[in-house]
Amino acid sequence: GENVEQHPSTLSVQEGDSAVIKCTYSDSASNYFPWYKQELGKRPQLIIDIRSNVGEKKDQRIAVTLNKTAKHFSLHITETQPEDSAVYFCAASGAARQLTFGSGTQLTVLP
Amino acid sequence: DTEVTQTPKHLVMGMTNKKSLKCEQHMGHRAMYWYKQKAKKPPELMFVYSYEKLSINESVPSRFSPECPNSSLLNLHLHALQPEDSALYLCASSQQLAGVDTGELFFGEGSRLTVL
Repeated sequence: GENVEQHPSTLSVQEGDSAVIKCTYSDSASNYFPWYKQELGKRPQLIIDIRSNVGEKKDQRIAVTLNKTAKHFSLHITETQPEDSAVYFCAASGAARQLTFGSGTQLTVLP
Repeated sequence: DTEVTQTPKHLVMGMTNKKSLKCEQHMGHRAMYWYKQKAKKPPELMFVYSYEKLSINESVPSRFSPECPNSSLLNLHLHALQPEDSALYLCASSQQLAGVDTGELFFGEGSRLTVL
């Protein structure tokens, strides 16, 4: 089955700086890679996703890059704000078409 | 309607109780899921109903049993739970295009379960 590894587990940045979270996956058949943001006590919210026929996707301050050859994908958040503080999960959809989640990254944006 | 609705939002039960969690979606999605999530951990897949066919995570104990009365409803029946089963239980649905799952999950707000 699919295995997704996510790093780092915790990340602290100063407000206005950029944050980068990286994930690797094992199943070369995976073709869908979403990122979820989860605030304390709330449900995971999809913030951006990418499919395997695209290398990069941007949405305002958030971008995701995908390297299919190396089987890794990354989340980039620019101009971070305190409200970006949350747990972020990457995920990959493998041959079984079911999402496998990474272990999560606790992002803290310091004012 | 783009919501997945879960009830109840909070549930406290004893180890001898029988209770149920309910989930409903009206987006026409043909796949629905139950996930279990512990604090600051990723969601763990428990069950999938896709086109009325059930798939089970083999590690889920039998004290959890899913029921899918129709393609819009998904229940999770709870019986003789243990304190370690206390967690956030998330229901989700996903869209299919041309019979293929797109993979995008729509999560409900979750049911916070406490087992005493």
